[in-house]
Amino acid sequence: GQQLNQSPQSMFIQEGEDVSMNCTSSSIFNTWLWYKQDPGEGPVLLIALYKAGELTSNGRLTAQFGITRKDSFLNISASIPSDVGIYFCAGPSGYGNNRLAFGKGNQVVVIP
Amino acid sequence: DTGVSQDPRHKITKRGQNVTFRCDPISEHNRLYWYRQTLGQGPEFLTYFQNEAQLEKSRLLSDRFSAERPKGSFSTLEIQRTEQGDSAMYLCASSSSPGVHEQYFGPGTRLTVT
Repeated sequence: GQQLNQSPQSMFIQEGEDVSMNCTSSSIFNTWLWYKQDPGEGPVLLIALYKAGELTSNGRLTAQFGITRKDSFLNISASIPSDVGIYFCAGPSGYGNNRLAFGKGNQVVVIP
Repeated sequence: DTGVSQDPRHKITKRGQNVTFRCDPISEHNRLYWYRQTLGQGPEFLTYFQNEAQLEKSRLLSDRFSAERPKGSFSTLEIQRTEQGDSAMYLCASSSSPGVHEQYFGPGTRLTVT
């Protein structure tokens, strides 16, 4: 199946700093999704991207659909303590693209 | 709150026992998905329904696992003869229609098999 690679695995940043993370795939995706997960909770959808080159913002979050369609980027600007969590990229996968394949996640820790 | 709900949120059971989890999707969503998540990993697909029809099952879904969505609304996931390796977070998600890839997740059921 399609594999999504996220790096770095963990990031420690000072409050107020920007943080960027990326996700790469071994194959082309026609949709990229970014989720955030807090401990003990389910993932929450942050941004969905549907077109190569698309740049979409949601508050302090900005995500881009890579031109090659094999990567996507998420940026958080002016981080705050509640940005702490694990950020996952995901894309449709499998026969009929009905399931989502997820990366292993980027853990973000914001230091006050 | 009209989001996806799951019950129970936590379940501790002894090895060999059967457990059943329930998921109520967003009311107008006709697609419902089950995923499993272990520590340090992203969610892994188990199965999905369109209305009451179970259309796809992952190879992760062994014979001990069964899922139903009898009336096309809520769904149940049953694990028979639980094993310690079944310990995980079981997540349910829903989406509005075919071709829409945005899936909305519930809070999950944390299963611990002792």
